[in-house]
Formats: sequence, structure tokens, C-alpha cells
Amino acid sequence: GAGVSQTPSNKVTEKGKYVELRCDPISGHTALYWYRQSLGQGPEFLIYFQGTGAADDSGLPNDRFFAVRPEGSVSTLKIQRTERGDSAVYLCASSSRAGITDTQYFGPGTRLTVL
Amino acid sequence: RKEVEQDPGPFNVPEGATVAFNCTYSNSASQSFFWYRQDCRKEPKLLMSVYSSGNEDGRFTAQLNRASQYISLLIRDSKLSDSATYLCVVRAISGNTPIVFGKGTRLSVIA
Repeated sequence: GAGVSQTPSNKVTEKGKYVELRCDPISGHTALYWYRQSLGQGPEFLIYFQGTGAADDSGLPNDRFFAVRPEGSVSTLKIQRTERGDSAVYLCASSSRAGITDTQYFGPGTRLTVL
Repeated sequence: RKEVEQDPGPFNVPEGATVAFNCTYSNSASQSFFWYRQDCRKEPKLLMSVYSSGNEDGRFTAQLNRASQYISLLIRDSKLSDSATYLCVVRAISGNTPIVFGKGTRLSVIA
């Protein structure tokens, strides 16, 4: 079956611009996670959703970052007033439930470059 | 102390060798543990979950030591295809962050 998909695969933007990154989870997965990964680092947790609601957004670095999942499936990560330090690979993962033992399946990521 | 620490490597080993990685964690409330594998410029993929009793999957063995707060991964009979970065993942219900990945340990298996 189809895995997690993310669009776009690459995004180049200028400092100060607004970007949206999209994640399509595996069909039927209720939990969805966003991470960002910088070169040489492990993925850094940002936020996760259980259904439509953000169950934990403690990893969002500041109020420029926001994520939604209005229908409990597709999610969009929104970054306002982008900064060069936001450049990273943004990874999305989904799992069938949000239990801490559940396997997360990752998408291929969106590589964001802020010039 | 960082929440999850791994030796970044690289570990360069010949084919057929046995290699072991450790990962230490600081949150004593951590409840579930995983090893993920990440190939260059690819997404992480689950290698195995780590259970209290230890678990084995073919050439891979994972162990958890709650008293010393570390998990380990042992790879026997290394293959060229095992070359990748191995990420330790720790999840907790309480604490600062619900899901923490280590920086990863890079393994290169050499012919």
C-alpha cells in the first residue's frame, strides 16, 4: 500500500517568506508526527496529532511554526517569516495509533532551503 | 546531560565483523525504545523495538538496561548493506519531550 508522502520534495525560499509543507499519512493512521532534521543530527520532534487535535506541540521552536490537520488525515506545517536557520529536512511520520510503542512510518521528507 | 546520547562514529568494520552500539538516555521515565536505520539522504526506518527482556531479529540483537539507562544494538556477521546511520529513539509520557532521537551512529562495513 501507499506509504507516507510529503510535498514538495524540495522547497527553496527567501528569508522572510511564508511556506507550507504537506504530509499525507498512511490511510487509516490516526497519529501524525512532524520532525525536522539538520545535517549530522537526528530528527527533532516538533508536534504530533492524534486525529485532528495537536496532542503535543512542545517541540515547535517558536510561534512562527504552526501545524494543522483539519480532517484528521492530511497535515500542513506552516512556517511564517522564514529564517536561514529554518533550513532543514522536514520529516513527517504516521502510526496507526499514538501509543508510545507504536511503529512510526516516515515519509521521504521535504528539504527546505531558506536563502 | 543530553537526553539521548550516541557515539557518532564512524565505525568502520570489515565484512563479517560483529559491532555494537550503545545509546544512553537521561529521562528515567522513558518507557519505550527503538533502533531506526537511516540511509544517506533517506528517511528513517524502524529496525527494531527494544524490550526489557532483550530481543533478537536475525543478525541483530537489542538490549535494554534500565538501571544504567542505556540500550544497545549488536550486529553480527556485518554485511556491506548494513552501512547506514543507526538512530536510537526514546519515548516517554512525562518529561520535556515525548520523543527523542539520538544523533545517530554511522556504520561503514568495508569489503
